[in-house]
Amino acid sequence: KAGVTQTPRYLIKTRGQQVTLSCSPISGHRSVSWYQQTPGQGLQFLFEYFSETQRNKGNFPGRFSGRQFSNSRSEMNVSTLELGDSALYLCASRRATNEKLFFGSGTQLSVL
Amino acid sequence: KNEVEQSPQNLTAQEGEFITINCSYSVGISALHWLQQHPGGGIVSLFMLSSGKKKHGRLIATINIQEKHSSLHITASHPRDSAVYICAVLVGGAQKLVFGQGTRLTINP
Repeated sequence: KAGVTQTPRYLIKTRGQQVTLSCSPISGHRSVSWYQQTPGQGLQFLFEYFSETQRNKGNFPGRFSGRQFSNSRSEMNVSTLELGDSALYLCASRRATNEKLFFGSGTQLSVL
Repeated sequence: KNEVEQSPQNLTAQEGEFITINCSYSVGISALHWLQQHPGGGIVSLFMLSSGKKKHGRLIATINIQEKHSSLHITASHPRDSAVYICAVLVGGAQKLVFGQGTRLTINP
């Protein structure tokens, strides 16, 4: 069974640009959640989607958005990139709320 | 004060030692996760628990809901256990994951 797949693995952007990250969950998993990891702040929850609906959202500005498609694949978009958005972005999938999370390898975003 | 506090932040031990990592939280939760992150970023979920105790191989996780405390134990530690261990709580009403700052564990041969 394939794991959670995130693309791209690495990304370099400049300030002011926008970026879209992709996450393909494990087959049968309807929940996809996104996280930001930085050396200073650690892991922080961005948002969670379940069956194409955003179920929860963390404390991030509106520049961070996402969506989920009918096949459960999810995308995360960051507009007007800032230097502080440089981070490892991880997604995770699970079948249901009270089940373990399965993480992707992450997308390392560098904003110059 | 963070909602989730882990201790210690760093732990170095010799192979074979019994390891304990602690996690305390200050909010109401519906579940607690223990995660393992190796260099390079990959995160593996070790346990998800809402009460009692779970065991998988040399790893044991316990939770005391009344005391808002969880522990992760590693028996007969091995250098391959070297990683960052992260506690994360699923905050009850909001169903959001809040993370501890992580414990960096190094096991020397």
